[in-house]
Amino acid sequence: DAMVIQNPRYQVTQFGKPVTLSCSQTLNHNVMYWYQQKSSQAPKLLFHYYDKDFNNEADTPDNFQSRRPNTSFCFLDIRSPGLGDAAMYLCATGGDVETQYFGPGTRLLVL
Amino acid sequence: RKEVEQDPGPFNVPEGATVAFNCTYSNSASQSFFWYRQDCRKEPKLLMSVYSSGNEDGRFTAQLNRASQYISLLIRDSKLSDSATYLCVVRIAGGGNKLTFGTGTQLKVEL
Repeated sequence: DAMVIQNPRYQVTQFGKPVTLSCSQTLNHNVMYWYQQKSSQAPKLLFHYYDKDFNNEADTPDNFQSRRPNTSFCFLDIRSPGLGDAAMYLCATGGDVETQYFGPGTRLLVL
Repeated sequence: RKEVEQDPGPFNVPEGATVAFNCTYSNSASQSFFWYRQDCRKEPKLLMSVYSSGNEDGRFTAQLNRASQYISLLIRDSKLSDSATYLCVVRIAGGGNKLTFGTGTQLKVEL
């Protein structure tokens, strides 16, 4: 049973065309995270929500935004994707539990 | 200096071999430690937590040396299905339970 679901699994967009990635969870965790992972690199945290409180990492570009309308859902908006934004985007949940649970990821391709 | 450092590998070993991975972390405030496994183009999945006393889960043994800020993972009797990238992960005390990932060590188990 999928606990962290990401849609779509693959996303192709054009340079500069806004794109939204979605994540949902059935674990009722209070924290949701978005990571960017490029080939052969570690997952890099972009931001996280602690309940409704948004926490941005200092080096996350302004091009990346997020929304969390309720406990179950979280969205990643890329306002103007560049070629360098092509990556796997991973959503994870956690919080009061020590570790995090990852969704299957969305692979973004920018043409 | 990276916060979490690992030898990227790849480690190519024959089936049945014993293989060990090492990891060092730089932040002495690190509180919790994990090994995650990531298959090609998939999400990271928790393999095991790492405790100060050392812990074992079947063929996998994890060790932590806080004084040296060093974590290890030993895989005995390796199987073809163990082929993956092994990520060393550290949680630093503080809000949001943020995790810091190493870039991973790639393992290839061969016939």
